[in-house]
Amino acid sequence: KAGVTQTPRYLIKTRGQQVTLSCSPISGHRSVSWYQQTPGQGLQFLFEYFSETQRNKGNFPGRFSGRQFSNSRSEMNVSTLELGDSALYLCASSGAGGGQETQYFGPGTRLLVL
Amino acid sequence: KQEVTQIPAALSVPEGENLVLNCSFTDSAIYNLQWFRQDPGKGLTSLLLIQSSQREQTSGRLNASLDKSSGRSTLYIAASQPGDSATYLCAALGDSNYQLIWGAGTKLIIKP
Repeated sequence: KAGVTQTPRYLIKTRGQQVTLSCSPISGHRSVSWYQQTPGQGLQFLFEYFSETQRNKGNFPGRFSGRQFSNSRSEMNVSTLELGDSALYLCASSGAGGGQETQYFGPGTRLLVL
Repeated sequence: KQEVTQIPAALSVPEGENLVLNCSFTDSAIYNLQWFRQDPGKGLTSLLLIQSSQREQTSGRLNASLDKSSGRSTLYIAASQPGDSATYLCAALGDSNYQLIWGAGTKLIIKP
């Protein structure tokens, strides 16, 4: 079974731009969660999607948004980028329960905002 | 507000030693406690998941324990190998908001 894939792997943007990251979960998984990892704040939960619906949301500003498609693939969008958005963005998929069961992580997208 | 702390931040031991990584959490209202390892450029790999009703979980040379009353979890690694070198993270899932709160991790180096 193919693992979780994330594209692109690396991205450089400038302040004020927007960016879209993509995550393809393991086949059959319906839950996709997104996390931000920075040296200062560590790993933080962004949001979780299940069957095309946002089921849970962390404490991030509205500039961070996402969606999930009928094939469970998910995208995350960050608008009006700030320097502090530079981070590793990880997505994870699971069968049904977000953090309630084992999550499988992708390799991440490393975003650098200049 | 849940806070998860991991001590030590870094650990270097010779190959073959048994070792313990510590994780503490401030709110005992958790659904589960999870341990992951992170290798550079490879995302995170789930190691063990302990449900709040369980006391421990084992997988190969790894054993994780959970003591909700004291707000502690430990990850025991037996007979360490250089391939165990990685950053180990624990995360607690709140039983009301179902959000994973992460520790900062312990960077483990196993010297051959």
